[in-house]
Amino acid sequence: ETVMTQSPGTLSVSPGERATLSCRASQSVSSNLAWYQQKPGQAPRLLIYGASTRATGIPARFSGSGSGTEFTLTISSLQSEDFAVYYCQQYHNWPPWTFGQGTKVEIK
Amino acid sequence: QLQLQESGPGLVKPSETLSLTCTVSGGSISSSTYYWGWIRQPPGKGLEWIGSIYYSGSTYYNPSLRSRVTISVDTSKNQFSLKLSSVTAADTAVYYCVRHSGMATPILPWGQGTLVTVSS
Repeated sequence: ETVMTQSPGTLSVSPGERATLSCRASQSVSSNLAWYQQKPGQAPRLLIYGASTRATGIPARFSGSGSGTEFTLTISSLQSEDFAVYYCQQYHNWPPWTFGQGTKVEIK
Repeated sequence: QLQLQESGPGLVKPSETLSLTCTVSGGSISSSTYYWGWIRQPPGKGLEWIGSIYYSGSTYYNPSLRSRVTISVDTSKNQFSLKLSSVTAADTAVYYCVRHSGMATPILPWGQGTLVTVSS
């Protein structure tokens, strides 16, 4: 099973600042990595797939990078609606698909 | 626009079988393009993939749950279902039904989720 490790667990950021979230895979997942945003009481929403492609309707302030085992999600200028929990997911080595434990982005 | 809606009991007793159904609207579950799956999230915790099914009936399960999971599809009702046997409190979670375009593709969309509590 491919273990996904996200860091940090919690990120405190002021509105308008940049946020950088990391995701590491225990073995290569090529570029088969997605990022999801989850707000309280809601289902996760797909932000990024293929490590760097924004899903339909996702603002340009969200960007993804990386390949192999190291990945980054960057939010260039945090808006109030961006405070949420973010999960990475690999869909390269399956079964099973695996998710990171999540990074909570909170208001500083 | 495709929508997924989970339904089923919100409370299940320990050792019994959890049964959920996902109703698909705005699209056909018989499409050869898509797979249909289940993901769960214990309260305050992360996401765990349970398994997926292709419209033809081919199934893919998480090895950690394989012995207890059955996913099936009912094309006549445009629904797919999850059965999880011998449940314990550790199976208490929000259960999401999802769609994906292949086993090596991301998840889009997700249902709104339904909380299932395992308790006597």
